[in-house]
Formats: sequence, C-alpha cells, structure tokens
Amino acid sequence: NAGVTQTPKFRVLKTGQSMTLLCAQDMNHEYMYWYRQDPGMGLRLIHYSVGEGTTAKGEVPDGYNVSRLKKQNFLLGLESAAPSQTSVYFCASSSPVAHSNQPQHFGDGTRLSIL
Amino acid sequence: QQQVKQSPQSLIVQKGGISIINCAYENTAFDYFPWYQQFPGKGPALLIAIRPDVSEKKEGRFTISFNKSAKQFSLHIMDSQPGDSATYFCAASVEAAGNKLTFGGGTRVLVKP
Repeated sequence: NAGVTQTPKFRVLKTGQSMTLLCAQDMNHEYMYWYRQDPGMGLRLIHYSVGEGTTAKGEVPDGYNVSRLKKQNFLLGLESAAPSQTSVYFCASSSPVAHSNQPQHFGDGTRLSIL
Repeated sequence: QQQVKQSPQSLIVQKGGISIINCAYENTAFDYFPWYQQFPGKGPALLIAIRPDVSEKKEGRFTISFNKSAKQFSLHIMDSQPGDSATYFCAASVEAAGNKLTFGGGTRVLVKP
C-alpha cells in the first residue's frame, strides 16, 4: 500500500520553463492538497481539492495551476517557472470531515530548483 | 499574515530530557490542532492532535497542552530520545472548511545522546 506517491522526486528547471508535478493516492481519499515548504515558513497551502473535478485556491496560489480529473490524482502545474518557486512541494490527502480523526497523509515531496 | 506562530525555531535537549514547543494562533474558528513530525527527506507525519474541548491529550511520551482562552497550545516530549530528533510542526484547521492546514514555522529538535 503506497499511500501518497509524488513524481518526480527531484527536478531542476530553467526560468520560464513549465512542468507538472504528479500526486497519486491509493487510499480513496476525497480531499487532496498541494503545499510548498520553505525554510522557517512551515508548509503553505497552494491549492486543494475536495473532490474529483473541483479545485480551490489556498494561501499562495499565484503561478500555479492544478487539476483533479481523477479522484486518485492531483496535478500541480508551473506555467512559467520563476526562481521564487524553488521549494519542496508536498502533496497530501485526507478523508472528509464526516470521517473525523483522519489525518492528512503526506507524500515524501518533490524538490524543485529553478535556475 | 502568519496565523500560527511557533517557537522556538530550534532546540537541543539531552537524552531523557523534556522538549517543549509552543504555538499561538489567531483565528478563533480553528477547531483542530495537530502536530506533525518530519524526518529529513520525508513528508510530515501526524504525531498527535487535539480539539479545543479538551485541555490536554497524552499519547505515550507526547503530550499536547491546550489553552483556549490564551489561544496557545504546546507539545511536550517526555524522556526525549535520539530517535525523536526531527522537525516538528504545529498546525491548525477548520474542519468544516476543507480541513486545510495552517502550519507554524517548525521547530528543529536535536536530542543528544
């Protein structure tokens, strides 16, 4: 049982390039999230989804787009990469509120460097 | 605007000692307060969580103390072990609003043998 799987694990991009980060979960969770982690700032929510076909903005959405075409997948896109987007990106998933006490399960992250 | 403030940024404790990490929040709508533990190269993993209707929760060597009136909560790690060396994050969420987590800045804990 893999849980939350993120690909790729590492990537180096040049400024202006685009790329897509993939998150897949096998726990049949309704909710999925994308966070970025920067030193001293904890994790900040980029976008999230409460179900297939729905997405919403989080705290730091600018420069990113997301899609949730399938329940198990949540894609994060960088339209035109900028050095300020150098970060570690984490995907997470969880059950809805009705099944409380269920934590968010995180993947192991994608380390992205923008040169 | 940092809605959850965490301190200290780092701490060093001797094996067997007590580690204490503090967090303060601003949004009174928060109704779920988890603590996450993160090892290098890994994603955060839930350690322990509390809801505001209780003032303390203990699981093994880990205890959360919660002060609703002060809008503060803390993590105590008793009998700290070298394996506890990790980064700890407090967080808060409003469960009815998509359960989106707002994280503190993190505390790097080093337990010396």
